[in-house]
Amino acid sequence: AQSVTQLGSHVSVSEGALVLLRCNYSSSVPPYLFWYVQYPNQGLQLLLKYTSAATLVKGINGFEAEFKKSETSFHLTKPSAHMSDAAEYFCAVTPKTPGYNKLIFGAGTRLAVHP
Amino acid sequence: DSGVTQTPKHLITATGQRVTLRCSPRSGDLSVYWYQQSLDQGLQFLIQYYNGEERAKGNILERFSAQQFPDLHSELNLSSLELGDSALYFCASSVDENTEAFFGQGTRLTVV
Repeated sequence: AQSVTQLGSHVSVSEGALVLLRCNYSSSVPPYLFWYVQYPNQGLQLLLKYTSAATLVKGINGFEAEFKKSETSFHLTKPSAHMSDAAEYFCAVTPKTPGYNKLIFGAGTRLAVHP
Repeated sequence: DSGVTQTPKHLITATGQRVTLRCSPRSGDLSVYWYQQSLDQGLQFLIQYYNGEERAKGNILERFSAQQFPDLHSELNLSSLELGDSALYFCASSVDENTEAFFGQGTRLTVV
């Protein structure tokens, strides 16, 4: 069965510092991978997705993620944190089969950005 | 704004009651998904409909049911509510079963 592990339920960075949120997946074949962001009292917004094209995926708001099959990882990075990046981030996986659906989410990482 | 509309935004009800959550997908989207977000379980997939037909089921309790109507809106019915059903319920929609889903802002259900 597929699963997602997000290392670190809370991450705190200074404004302007590198953001690194870790995600590892468990799957017999490389799945489709996603990062979503949830701001307080908001729904989930798609940041970026990997669907077996380029391994380095660029998303919105300056975020990017790199798919590494050998490490079964899909870590999310941003070179310079902004206060507005404070939110909860979810990594998700779905099987690479027709009718891909049923997102399986990690437990989430809450990002705090301090001045 | 994702284009997915969920009503109501908040709902407070008593144990044992029944509630209906409504979701209007983005214009043109045929697939609707329901997810539950709770503190202890995280984000859990409940059920998916595609063009009116049930397509996939996740960890959905027997007390819960859903349907997608001909106009493609969907309803999630929760009955015999328990305190543990208190959660944020998200609806998401996608064009078809092979594209990413866009999420609504959720309905926060509080069972007292």
